[in-house]
Amino acid sequence: TQLLEQSPQFLSIQEGENLTVYCNSSSVFSSLQWYRQEPGEGPVLLVTVVTGGEVKKLKRLTFQFGDARKDSSLHITAAQPGDTGLYLCAGARSGGGADGLTFGKGTHLIIQP
Amino acid sequence: SQTIHQWPATLVQPVGSPLSLECTVEGTSNPNLYWYRQAAGRGLQLLFYSVGIGQISSEVPQNLSASRPQDRQFILSSKKLLLSDSGFYLCAWSWGSGNTIYFGEGSWLTVV
Repeated sequence: TQLLEQSPQFLSIQEGENLTVYCNSSSVFSSLQWYRQEPGEGPVLLVTVVTGGEVKKLKRLTFQFGDARKDSSLHITAAQPGDTGLYLCAGARSGGGADGLTFGKGTHLIIQP
Repeated sequence: SQTIHQWPATLVQPVGSPLSLECTVEGTSNPNLYWYRQAAGRGLQLLFYSVGIGQISSEVPQNLSASRPQDRQFILSSKKLLLSDSGFYLCAWSWGSGNTIYFGEGSWLTVV
């Protein structure tokens, strides 16, 4: 079974601070997705990374895929209350299983004004 | 562009009653379709997936069933709900296997 471990599980920080959340596995993934989910809504795709070592930026969010394609990180600069939510990472297995992606349990992020 | 909708958004049902959650995808053809349940502390649990009309794979034996009567329609059903069926249900789609998954808005089910 391929597992994705996300850390930390919960994070509460003040507005303006920086933070990093992690997504780790012992398995190799062909691609990795990050989603943000707000209470009572479906997860919304933020980014897909496919190349080892790839870095993608989305405004104040920076996503990195590990060189070995086993891990990823999400860094938020100058966090704002609107960044509050559940951040999920999900990996696609090489060969593309029909049962979809492997999801982590998520990081609950709260940004306090 | 592609869109996915599921309904109803909120449902309160008595124990033993039937269930039908519906999901449709627009703007694409022959998508892979998925039903997930999300519970606090357990993450996303894949319930069913489908790679084509009438083709359903079940990941977890349970009180629920799924059907795909049309290419872009996916239905989650139960004949008799249990209290343990309460939760947040998400429909999703992808272009083929191993690709990015896109989620619907979710449906809150409370069994009382």
